[in-house]
Amino acid sequence: AQSVAQPEDQVNVAEGNPLTVKCTYSVSGNPYLFWYVQYPNRGLQFLLKYITGDNLVKGSYGFEAEFNKSQTSFHLKKPSALVSDSALYFCAVRDMRSGNTGKLIFGQGTTLQVKP
Amino acid sequence: DAGVIQSPRHEVTEMGQEVTLRCKPISGHDYLFWYRQTMMRGLELLIYFNNNVPIDDSGMPEDRFSAKMPNASFSTLKIQPSEPRDSAVYFCASSLLAGGYTFGSGTRLTVV
Repeated sequence: AQSVAQPEDQVNVAEGNPLTVKCTYSVSGNPYLFWYVQYPNRGLQFLLKYITGDNLVKGSYGFEAEFNKSQTSFHLKKPSALVSDSALYFCAVRDMRSGNTGKLIFGQGTTLQVKP
Repeated sequence: DAGVIQSPRHEVTEMGQEVTLRCKPISGHDYLFWYRQTMMRGLELLIYFNNNVPIDDSGMPEDRFSAKMPNASFSTLKIQPSEPRDSAVYFCASSLLAGGYTFGSGTRLTVV
């Protein structure tokens, strides 16, 4: 089955500290992986994606994600968190099953709280 | 490009009334998705289209919900009759096959 898991409902981190938001996936074939961020009262915004190539993907607002095939993980990271990074983060994988190749499967979301 | 445009931004209606949500995708995108977001159920895919053709509507909760895409630049999601449990934020998103989604700002629907 195609699925995405975000094991943490909430992550708390102090401003200036590194942050990690976890994501694991289960797909058949090579995964297309994405991270999105949702600020209050806004739609989801694209942060970054992995399709192929370097396992470390850099995205918007200083975020990066590391693709680990052996652990089937795609954790989102940032070296130094900002209070303004506080938001809801979604991991997603593209459903590559025949007939469904356009659809993204989203995780349940992780709330990131960065405290001053 | 102005991005994915949804209207209205907010809708308050009485139970039993018909509600129509509108979406204009990004020009050139060949996929369009309708999502619903609530605190209880998170982000749910309702239906998606490829080249204006509905591909998967298994997420549409009931026959009260219907969606159309008459052309590449416009889609509607209709609820008739509406019920209080339909209250949610409804998002439209569009994409190309290999790319990520671009989401609209959403329509916050309140059914009283």
